[in-house]
Amino acid sequence: DTEVTQTPKHLVMGMTNKKSLKCEQHMGHRAMYWYKQKAKKPPELMFVYSYEKLSINESVPSRFSPECPNSSLLNLHLHALQPEDSALYLCASSQDLERTYNYGYTFGSGTRLTVV
Amino acid sequence: GQNIDQPTEMTATEGAIVQINCTYQTSGFNGLFWYQQHAGEAPTFLSYNVLDGLEEKGRFSSFLSRSKGYSYLLLKELQMKDSASYLCAVMDSNYQLIWGAGTKLIIKP
Repeated sequence: DTEVTQTPKHLVMGMTNKKSLKCEQHMGHRAMYWYKQKAKKPPELMFVYSYEKLSINESVPSRFSPECPNSSLLNLHLHALQPEDSALYLCASSQDLERTYNYGYTFGSGTRLTVV
Repeated sequence: GQNIDQPTEMTATEGAIVQINCTYQTSGFNGLFWYQQHAGEAPTFLSYNVLDGLEEKGRFSSFLSRSKGYSYLLLKELQMKDSASYLCAVMDSNYQLIWGAGTKLIIKP
């Protein structure tokens, strides 16, 4: 299994809703990442988990809350989002933080989030 | 600061060759990646260079010169499906990926 699976593929939510994005990989990777990508822009790093511990939090607002229940799963909990948070949310994984060579990051297909 | 520059858009003809350049200035260097991204889809890994020289993978090749802070992605025998954005990314001394803004490649018949 060489895939990163993200669900849902599309999500529309109101500003008062609570929702979660899910990401799963079974490649034995020990580093997992959440990225946000706006149209025609490169991915922006949000969070990095290394061996199930939060390693990097790129000053992301608290309305985004990551969780890593185990080495295969990564969640992103959403609450009280704003319309400007609408974007493509990408999950990625790599062997670990340092060993990304040869294969780079493996990205999931993303969740297209629209906040109304 | 950290900076990665690549052209915003390029146009090429089906069957031809195109070279997409990337220049970088980063705090440390642990390798340079090229990714392909079709509109609305996730980036897919194309290549990784950490030593100077040319890496070839089928129709795609990537070149690195660390002393010049320069890389290029060479695409041969262009196909319509190669129309996509091509992202250059450098891994810095903290093992964080610094991304270029991407080059939109348009292939014309």
